[in-house]
Amino acid sequence: QSVLTQPPSASGTPGQRVTISCSGSSSNIGNNYLYWYQHLPGTAPKLLIYKNNQRPSGVPDRFSGSKSGTSASLAISGLRSEDESDYYCAVRDDSLNVWVFGGGTKLTVL
Amino acid sequence: EVQLVESGGGLVQPGGSLRLSCAASGFTLRTYWMNWVRQAPGKGLEWVANIKPDGSDMYYVDSVRGRFTVSRDNAKNSLYLQMNSLRAEDTAVYYCARDILDYWGQGTLVTVSS
Repeated sequence: QSVLTQPPSASGTPGQRVTISCSGSSSNIGNNYLYWYQHLPGTAPKLLIYKNNQRPSGVPDRFSGSKSGTSASLAISGLRSEDESDYYCAVRDDSLNVWVFGGGTKLTVL
Repeated sequence: EVQLVESGGGLVQPGGSLRLSCAASGFTLRTYWMNWVRQAPGKGLEWVANIKPDGSDMYYVDSVRGRFTVSRDNAKNSLYLQMNSLRAEDTAVYYCARDILDYWGQGTLVTVSS
């Protein structure tokens, strides 16, 4: 059971907008920055969003992140077949210097 | 270009030991926190351990504390994970990752089985 709760699966059709939620508590999401990662098994995970809503250079603006209270979400607009992957939210507890991940969401592009 | 390359994985018996290495290049290792993250077969990502830039402090997930030790050699641009008293549930692909997990290696597979 992960500390951060994500839906196990999500789906959408090409061009659609999909959101993936991540819920936690005041001790994790509520008091720390939220990060999102894309992971295709067998490859290196990729940072998509850092500090709640910031995109690293090279990440398309189709990906956006938001956080409110103890919940966060990742939105993917203009869905493309190559977006089919696993997505993880994570927080670094700055007071304990540890990271916690959500259980992951498998995104299927129909 | 930032690169992280893990090595040292393999098959080990329960109770055995293994030492993973992560070779870093393309950035100044001594200025960054470094992490180990793993993914067990069919499971999600799990953070394992991290270490301060100067190696003075290390932190661990509860399930490995006392069995795993993270260390680094900034002069050799390398990160390590010494894994002792290995259990079947430690079977996973182990990744090293920089700081806010902004760069990751390709991972090395550790299989604990008799």
